[in-house]
Amino acid sequence: NAGVTQTPKFQVLKTGQSMTLQCAQDMNHNSMYWYRQDPGMGLRLIYYSASEGTTDKGEVPNGYNVSRLNKREFSLRLESAAPSQTSVYFCASSPREQANYGYTFGSGTRLTVV
Amino acid sequence: AQSVTQLDSHVSVSEGTPVLLRCNYSSSYSPSLFWYVQHPNKGLQLLLKYTSAATLVKGINGFEAEFKKSETSFHLTKPSAHMSDAAEYFCVGAYTGGFKTIFGAGTRLFVKA
Repeated sequence: NAGVTQTPKFQVLKTGQSMTLQCAQDMNHNSMYWYRQDPGMGLRLIYYSASEGTTDKGEVPNGYNVSRLNKREFSLRLESAAPSQTSVYFCASSPREQANYGYTFGSGTRLTVV
Repeated sequence: AQSVTQLDSHVSVSEGTPVLLRCNYSSSYSPSLFWYVQHPNKGLQLLLKYTSAATLVKGINGFEAEFKKSETSFHLTKPSAHMSDAAEYFCVGAYTGGFKTIFGAGTRLFVKA
C-alpha cells in the first residue's frame, strides 16, 4: 500500500545509546517531517525537509539530527539518547512545502529511553 | 499570533447520537484547516480539509466541518456516532505563504454503547 513507512515500530534504548529512526514514502512527495507526540503536548515538529537536499529545524530539534537520503527517505538520529526523548515519533510527508497540502503520516515509532 | 485551540480535551457521546468537536483558530488571515483522526497506537489520518473553497467540507466516515470566518471556528460534526469513531481528533491550521503548521492539543472522543 502506498504511504509512509516507519521502522522500527518499537524500541527501548539505554541512556546514552544512539539509534536511527527510518522513514520512507512512496508517493513522490517533496516534503518530509519528523514529529514527536507526548501526552498533553500534542505533536511538535522536530525537523523537516522541504525538498530533497534541504533540512531545517523545527520547534524541538535539540538532541536530534536528520538526513534526507534521497527523495523517498528521511531518517532521524538520536546521538545520545536521554529519558526526555521517550516519546512516539511520527514521520509525515506532503506533496510540497506549502502547508495547505496536508500530511500523510506513518504509523509511528514508540521509543522508550531508560 | 497564530494558534489553534480545541475547546474540549474529552467528549463523550452515546452511539447513534451526534458528535461535535470544537476548534477555534486565531490568525490575522484565514489559514487552511484540517481535521485528523488518530486511533489507538496508530498514525494520524486526514479526515477533511478546508482550503478556501466551500465553507462546508465533507470528509471520510460521515464527518463534516464548517468554516465560519466570523466566529474563527472550524467545528467537526457527525450526525450519528459509531463505536469505531472512538479516537483522538486533532484540528490543524496551516498558513500559506510560509511554512507553519499548528496542531491543536487534541480531543479524545469516547463513544458509549
